[in-house]
Amino acid sequence: GQQVMQIPQYQHVQEGEDFTTYCNSSTTLSNIQWYKQRPGGHPVFLIQLVKSGEVKKQKRLTFQFGEAKKNSSLHITATQTTDVGTYFCAGVDYGQNFVFGPGTRLSVLP
Amino acid sequence: DAGVIQSPRHEVTEMGQEVTLRCKPISGHNSLFWYRQTMMRGLELLIYFNNNVPIDDSGMPEDRFSAKMPNASFSTLKIQPSEPRDSAVYFCASSFEQLQGAFFGQGTRLTVV
Repeated sequence: GQQVMQIPQYQHVQEGEDFTTYCNSSTTLSNIQWYKQRPGGHPVFLIQLVKSGEVKKQKRLTFQFGEAKKNSSLHITATQTTDVGTYFCAGVDYGQNFVFGPGTRLSVLP
Repeated sequence: DAGVIQSPRHEVTEMGQEVTLRCKPISGHNSLFWYRQTMMRGLELLIYFNNNVPIDDSGMPEDRFSAKMPNASFSTLKIQPSEPRDSAVYFCASSFEQLQGAFFGQGTRLTVV
């Protein structure tokens, strides 16, 4: 079945540094979604990417979908303490199967 | 809009008891998802409905778990009998269309002792 991996598992950065998490699927995806979950909170939908090579930006966050539609990345520029949390990707394949990655836990030191 | 509403927020029950979790999706959303989250297994999709019809229940752990969606504004996830290994946070989520981004409720933290 479809598998979605994320690296790194954990990332500790100093406030102001950049951060990137990578998501890789074992199968070609119809779309990929990104979510953020604060400690003790619930996942919050950030964005959906559909097109091959697509790049979308939300303020300091840049999301990219790979050309082969099997991988994606989330880049945060100049992290802030409010960015703390776990970032999940969720891959949706052409069989309409949803699989969440294990997430990357981001810590930001002030 | 109040968002996805789940109840109860916390549930502590004894092994062997029946547990019912409830969810009210966002009005107008036609897809509803039940997820389970644990430290060991992360976020797992248990089942999802589209237009009140179960589409994929392959994530439901075993026959002790059942889910219903009698109408567009209400769904339940039932565990009978409950076991300690069912302890987890259970999230309900809804989306406007099946493959769109989902909006999560605040979750039900279930503890089975």
